[in-house]
Formats: sequence, C-alpha cells, structure tokens
Amino acid sequence: DAGVTQSPTHLIKTRGQQVTLRCSPKSGHDTVSWYQQALGQGPQFIFQYYEEEERQRGNFPDRFSGHQFPNYSSELNVNALLLGDSALYLCASSLDSGGTYGYTFGSGTRLTVV
Amino acid sequence: AQSVTQLDSHVSVSEGTPVLLRCNYSSSYSPSLFWYVQHPNKGLQLLLKYTSAATLVKGINGFEAEFKKSETSFHLTKPSAHMSDAAEYFCVVSPPSSNTGKLIFGQGTTLQVKP
Repeated sequence: DAGVTQSPTHLIKTRGQQVTLRCSPKSGHDTVSWYQQALGQGPQFIFQYYEEEERQRGNFPDRFSGHQFPNYSSELNVNALLLGDSALYLCASSLDSGGTYGYTFGSGTRLTVV
Repeated sequence: AQSVTQLDSHVSVSEGTPVLLRCNYSSSYSPSLFWYVQHPNKGLQLLLKYTSAATLVKGINGFEAEFKKSETSFHLTKPSAHMSDAAEYFCVVSPPSSNTGKLIFGQGTTLQVKP
C-alpha cells in the first residue's frame, strides 16, 4: 500500500517564475494538507483541502494556491517565486479533516529558488 | 493561541544511554500532542500521540512521552539510544476536535547518537 507520494522530489526555479508541486494521498485518505519547511525550521501549515475545497489556511500570501482533484490528489502552486520560498514542501494526508486517525506525510519536494 | 517550544535545538547522547527531548506547550484547550521524527530525505513519521487518555504514551521504537498538565510539558524519552535514532524530532500540537487539520510544529531537536 503506497503512502503519500510527492513529485517532483527536487526542482530549481528562478525568482519570479511559477511552480506546481503534486501530491497523491495515501490510499483511502481524502484530505490533503500542505506544509512549508524552511531549512532548520519546523514545518508550517499552508492550507488543507477536503472535498475539493480549501478548508483552512495558514499565514501564507495569495501567491500560494492549491487544488484538489476528484481522486483526492492535490497540487500546490506558487506564483512570483521569491528567494525565501526555497524550502521543503510537505504533503500530509488523512482520513478526515481533523486528523482523528493521524496524518501520513510524504517525503517532500525540495524547492530551490535562485 | 497554541504553540510548542522545544527546549533544546541539539541533543547528543552515547549509544545505549537514555534519551530526553524536552517540549513545553501552550494551549487554551486540552490539546492533542504528537512527536514526529524526520530522518534525512524521508517523510515525517509519527512516533506517538496523546489525546487525553493515559498520560504516559508509548510509541514506536521504544519511545514514550508523559503528558504533564501542571507543567505544560510533553517530554520524549527512550531508555537506551540506538545509532538509528539519530534524526530530527518535532513536538507537535493540534487543536482538539476543531477539524482544522492544522498541526503546529516546534522548531525541532536534532538528536546525535555517538558510538
């Protein structure tokens, strides 16, 4: 049974560009949350998707947007990239929005903005 | 507002000696608390979870944590460190029954295990 799958694993973008990161949740999970982990920091909550809608959002600008598809997979889009957006982006899936039964994390996408 | 503070950014122990990773939390409600471990180039793995049942929580790989409301602490311990325990550890708090899905992470503690 595959866990959470994220793609790509690494990518390099130039300042001002746009990027799309992808996440496939664990089988049976319908809720996806995204986190940003800057180097040497703990992950910070970006937003959560459930039933194809953004349900909760952290303190991130509108440059960060997302989408959830009918198969529960999700995308994270970041526009007008800044150097400070360089980080590990983690996707977590769960059986419900409150994480009653826990969260399963992917290995992340390492984004470098140059 | 909820928050967690991990009191040590780096802990170094010798193999076979006890491990203590300290965490204090701040919460207006009775929180759900977690410890996660992150090995290099791997996803976060849940070690254990406290959700207002027993105050002493046993997790995987011999780890356990004790919830102390009076001290607002949730320290992680292991009787005997193994080389494979070297990793980054995060103390995490989650709002109870709010369906927000928002986990609040501490800054992390790097555990070094010396042979």
